[in-house]
Amino acid sequence: DTAVSQTPKYLVTQMGNDKSIKCEQNLGHDTMYWYKQDSKKFLKIMFSYNNKELIINETVPNRFSPKSPDKAHLNLHINSLELGDSAVYFCASSQDTSGGSSYEQYFGPGTRLTVT
Amino acid sequence: AQKITQTQPGMFVQEKEAVTLDCTYDTSDPSYGLFWYKQPSSGEMIFLIYQGSYDQQNATEGRYSLNFQKARKSANLVISASQLGDSAMYFCAMRGGGQGGKLIFGQGTELSVKP
Repeated sequence: DTAVSQTPKYLVTQMGNDKSIKCEQNLGHDTMYWYKQDSKKFLKIMFSYNNKELIINETVPNRFSPKSPDKAHLNLHINSLELGDSAVYFCASSQDTSGGSSYEQYFGPGTRLTVT
Repeated sequence: AQKITQTQPGMFVQEKEAVTLDCTYDTSDPSYGLFWYKQPSSGEMIFLIYQGSYDQQNATEGRYSLNFQKARKSANLVISASQLGDSAMYFCAMRGGGQGGKLIFGQGTELSVKP
């Protein structure tokens, strides 16, 4: 069974379109995250939800809107796509969010978004 | 502010030799965790090893060990007996307290293992 799954794996779309990426985890974790990996492979946190509540929003343009219908799902909707949104988007989940916790984050396979 | 620095954009190692990937960090949190992830060319993120700020001993997981020097704020990854399958990007990451559990990543090191 896949722990963290994302759909679609690849997404090619034109500027100005609206698209969504879905994420599901079957690990029973309370916290889920979205990370963006840019063309230089740099990974940066975008959002985090804990039990359906938004707890991190890292100065992401408001064209990006996460939605968590339940604690096993965290979707990412992007409005009015721009060229600079092209990246790999990773969903992740974690058992515990405390600083010293040994629980790692489990990552989904990533969604490669290409905006043309 | 928390920060992770990996100063080696790329490294080469001969198969079967050991290699050290550098990672330094900066944080004012007394409780934090340090992680290493591997990202092969297929793109997935694979967890390798964890070190807690209060851990007295260096973490080890199979061929991976973490050389944790708290006073120097470094958490270097040591891979022993390199294999061709170790060729990948390696990311050091930190999770601090009160940060909602987010991971802050370094820039990554691309490791190439030569036969």
